[in-house]
Amino acid sequence: EVQLVESGGGLVQPGGSLRLSCAASGFTFNKFAMSWVRQAPGKGLEWVSGISSSGGSTYQPDSVKGRFTISRDNSKNTLFLQMNSLRAEDTAVYYCAKTPYDTSSYSYMDVWGKGTTVTVSS
Amino acid sequence: EIVMTQSPATLSVSPGERATLSCRASQSVSSKLAWYQQKAGQAPRLLIYGASARATGIPARFSGSGSGTEFTLTISSLQSEDFAVYYCQQYNYWPVFGQGTKLEIK
Repeated sequence: EVQLVESGGGLVQPGGSLRLSCAASGFTFNKFAMSWVRQAPGKGLEWVSGISSSGGSTYQPDSVKGRFTISRDNSKNTLFLQMNSLRAEDTAVYYCAKTPYDTSSYSYMDVWGKGTTVTVSS
Repeated sequence: EIVMTQSPATLSVSPGERATLSCRASQSVSSKLAWYQQKAGQAPRLLIYGASARATGIPARFSGSGSGTEFTLTISSLQSEDFAVYYCQQYNYWPVFGQGTKLEIK
């Protein structure tokens, strides 16, 4: 069974940092590009980072560029999201998602994890 | 940046009836359009990709159509488990989602 399990969420103060992890299983992790998508409370979905299968290419929208860094460890089938300089508006459920492609960041997401909650508040 | 606009925001339909959800892109996205279903407290689930291809395990009552800037998701005969929020997403450029349509029981 294809599975993605996120962890690392929690309560953090504004300006703080947090590192999310996503453990993948049931598929050949190093063959697929991956993404992080977030959902603020009561709001819609927002793509926040993407990474190629090899990890050699990464992509972020302007809303998080310079603050969020996506990475992966293919030897451990794990995806990461390092989040720095966190703001109240970063409060959301963060989903790890698999794409069906190896390199493209222009993709849909065919498998989603259950998400991990990040709350930025003093 | 591409803007995806879904309509209506809320759609009330009776079980067994047909539901038609719309998604419009601010510029052409070709057929690079996906639809997702999200139930309360759950992660999104992929329904449709390439504007009209059903994802693995998705029932035939779900169908997608359109290209360019206008897209439609049709659910032919609503089952109780279909009442949820539906999102469209373009992937002709950086991924952008619509704001969602809530499908509720009439």
